[in-house]
Amino acid sequence: SQQGEEDPQALSIQEGENATMNCSYKTSINNLQWYRQNSGRGLVHLILIRSNEREKHSGRLRVTLDTSKKSSSLLITASRAADTASYFCATDAMSAGGTSYGKLTFGQGTILTVHP
Amino acid sequence: DAGVIQSPRHEVTEMGQEVTLRCKPISGHDYLFWYRQTMMRGLELLIYFNNNVPIDDSGMPEDRFSAKMPNASFSTLKIQPSEPRDSAVYFCASRHDSTDTQYFGPGTRLTVL
Repeated sequence: SQQGEEDPQALSIQEGENATMNCSYKTSINNLQWYRQNSGRGLVHLILIRSNEREKHSGRLRVTLDTSKKSSSLLITASRAADTASYFCATDAMSAGGTSYGKLTFGQGTILTVHP
Repeated sequence: DAGVIQSPRHEVTEMGQEVTLRCKPISGHDYLFWYRQTMMRGLELLIYFNNNVPIDDSGMPEDRFSAKMPNASFSTLKIQPSEPRDSAVYFCASRHDSTDTQYFGPGTRLTVL
């Protein structure tokens, strides 16, 4: 079953607006990652946030992580038509021994459409 | 670096036929992952290897699916016999042991008629 559940399933905005996508997960994690997938292409890594971090920035991207609520959000500021893609959160679950399993579990994704 | 390479990019076959998907990971990467993506089930991890050794194949749907990694630069995912419900996009990804970031290939779109 999917570890991450994303919300909304689809988001449509105008160029220049901000886009916020949310991800919830079920188990303890080592880190949470966001990936982008353009239509017909492979996934591309955007940003990683570790379980002991609360916020991280990369260019126009801002990620927050709330481990008490088991949730994360991805904010894309000043969106562009080129940001149109599907966005996935992925969790690196923590084993009982506190180590990584070495694999990611992906959510269902949010389809973002940015209109010029 | 050329990135993760997958072949073929598209495969159309008939039910019952054997299908072999191929992947060349990024040179030096220690981990290799096979995923399947469908509209209904999203992106599912099928199996992953560390240093050419299968670590977790719990996502392999059934015995019709098998994966091998004979060396650090090549892996195959085989479906025998194929069924229409195997139609999906299959992705290969790799990563280095020093990072948590996975690098994905362009995928193989499989259609089983």
